[in-house]
Amino acid sequence: AQSVSQHNHHVILSEAASLELGCNYSYGGTVNLFWYVQYPGQHLQLLLKYFSGDPLVKGIKGFEAEFIKSKFSFNLRKPSVQWSDTAEYFCAVGGGSQGNLIFGKGTKLSVKP
Amino acid sequence: GAGVSQTPSNKVTEKGKYVELRCDPISGHTALYWYRQSLGQGPEFLIYFQGTGAADDSGLPNDRFFAVRPEGSVSTLKIQRTERGDSAVYLCASSSGTDYYEQYFGPGTRLTVT
Repeated sequence: AQSVSQHNHHVILSEAASLELGCNYSYGGTVNLFWYVQYPGQHLQLLLKYFSGDPLVKGIKGFEAEFIKSKFSFNLRKPSVQWSDTAEYFCAVGGGSQGNLIFGKGTKLSVKP
Repeated sequence: GAGVSQTPSNKVTEKGKYVELRCDPISGHTALYWYRQSLGQGPEFLIYFQGTGAADDSGLPNDRFFAVRPEGSVSTLKIQRTERGDSAVYLCASSSGTDYYEQYFGPGTRLTVT
């Protein structure tokens, strides 16, 4: 069965610290990988996505993620976080042709000013 | 409208009652999804519509849950004989027919069953 694991439930960082959030997936076919973000009081928003090609993908607000097929991982990174990055981050995998997404449990990021 | 809208934003109902949750997708989006997010969990897929038909309803937990999209736009998720375990945030998302995975989410309906 398809699944997504996010290892960190809650991450607390100071501003300017570097961020890496882990995501591992289990899926037998061609994967499409996503990171979504939910800022406090707002909707889920797409942060970045990987379909094929360059395994290092860049998203909005300075975020990037690297797809490592051999490790079944798609970790999210940002070199220097800001207080405004405080949010919950969800990794998701999409498989097949129907577009339904399978989400991880999410990682809450708190950035201290 | 500019984004996906969902009504009501909050719904409190008693165990055993029937509820309807509404989703209005982005204009022109042919695909519509329902997800459920329980406390401390990520969204869980329920059902997907392509146009008027349910293309995949494999995520519906049981036959108390049903969804329709009669004109290929607005969708209604219907829950019969609600149970306390149904309490969650119900999310709707829509996408264009060309990129199913670029899903735009609504604000959700928080359902509380007492």
